[in-house]
Amino acid sequence: KAGVTQTPRYLIKTRGQQVTLSCSPISGHRSVSWYQQTPGQGLQFLFEYFSETQRNKGNFPGRFSGRQFSNSRSEMNVSTLELGDSALYLCASSSSRGGGETQYFGPGTRLLVL
Amino acid sequence: AQSVTQLGSHVSVSEGALVLLRCNYSSSVPPYLFWYVQYPNQGLQLLLKYTSAATLVKGINGFEAEFKKSETSFHLTKPSAHMSDAAEYFCAVTRTGGGNKLTFGTGTQLKVEL
Repeated sequence: KAGVTQTPRYLIKTRGQQVTLSCSPISGHRSVSWYQQTPGQGLQFLFEYFSETQRNKGNFPGRFSGRQFSNSRSEMNVSTLELGDSALYLCASSSSRGGGETQYFGPGTRLLVL
Repeated sequence: AQSVTQLGSHVSVSEGALVLLRCNYSSSVPPYLFWYVQYPNQGLQLLLKYTSAATLVKGINGFEAEFKKSETSFHLTKPSAHMSDAAEYFCAVTRTGGGNKLTFGTGTQLKVEL
């Protein structure tokens, strides 16, 4: 099976712009979660989607949003970009959401905000 | 709320020496615990996980971890380090009913020297 794919891999934006990142989960996986990784804050949970519904949300401002489509592909959007949004954004997929489920991570999208 | 603490942001070992990476958790309910590894410019790869079956968990690449409830610990070990083990290691926790939200530790950078 193909792994989790994320597009684009690298992105440069300027402050105030918006950005959309895409994640395609492993075939058959219905849960997709997003994480932000920065040197200062480490790995932080953004949100989790399962069967097109947001099931969990982290402590991020409303500028960060996401959605999941019927084929389980997910997108996250960041509006009005700030310099502090520069980070590696990781997507993870799993087959269900039982707590002990293995989550498989994609390679990430590295976002640089200038 | 759950949390994990990784003692030692940087650990250096000689090739062939024992690797010990420390992780302590805090959880009000029985936790699920994970160790992930991240190589430069890549996503996270699961090494092993504890889901309340066996307390000694064996993972990939010769790594293992022991769940000790009395010490609230889940330390990662490998008997003999290899140069290819140089990477960043993350301990993470979820809980029953918590969905797939992973709470990560701050990570430990492992350096392997000749």
